[in-house]
Amino acid sequence: KQEVTQIPAALSVPEGENLVLNCSFTDSAIYNLQWFRQDPGKGLTSLLLIQSSQREQTSGRLNASLDKSSGRSTLYIAASQPGDSATYLCAEITQGGSEKLVFGKGMKLTVNP
Amino acid sequence: DAGITQSPRHKVTETGTPVTLRCHQTENHRYMYWYRQDPGHGLRLIHYSYGVKDTDKGEVSDGYSVSRSKTEDFLLTLESATSSQTSVYFCAISDGANQPQHFGDGTRLSIL
Repeated sequence: KQEVTQIPAALSVPEGENLVLNCSFTDSAIYNLQWFRQDPGKGLTSLLLIQSSQREQTSGRLNASLDKSSGRSTLYIAASQPGDSATYLCAEITQGGSEKLVFGKGMKLTVNP
Repeated sequence: DAGITQSPRHKVTETGTPVTLRCHQTENHRYMYWYRQDPGHGLRLIHYSYGVKDTDKGEVSDGYSVSRSKTEDFLLTLESATSSQTSVYFCAISDGANQPQHFGDGTRLSIL
């Protein structure tokens, strides 16, 4: 069974720090991995999608990497801001998985001014 | 933002009543999904659709049915709601496995 794990479940940091959020997955036959952000009471906002043939993707202050051999993805947030406070979720689709996402339980990030 | 509308946004109903949630998209995407989000469980797939009249079960499909008669609409039905189905329900769309999934704003459903 596919499993996606995000540790720690919560993180509190001062503004300005560079952050690394971790995501591990059990199925090495990954097709792609997607990172999302969720604000309280809201839906999920797609941040980055990394396909299995890619090593990383960048968008603004965000950079996501994918290492299939170790079963890990990381989301790097540069120069964190209070507005980055949210829950961050990763999700994978495996090959032959019928385009179904399997989610981690998320990591709640608080950036303090 | 992707054009996804979920209705209703909030609903309170009683055990044993039927409930239908609607997801409407304006993106003409092929795939549509229904998830539920619960504390301690995260997001779990209920059902998904890969085309008009083409649907399949997800991880937690018991007690739910779906229908997709048009590309733009995907309906989720609880035939006889139970308290365990109290949750936040999200609809998502995508244009394929190499494309990102985009989510609606959710429906908060409470079953008393």
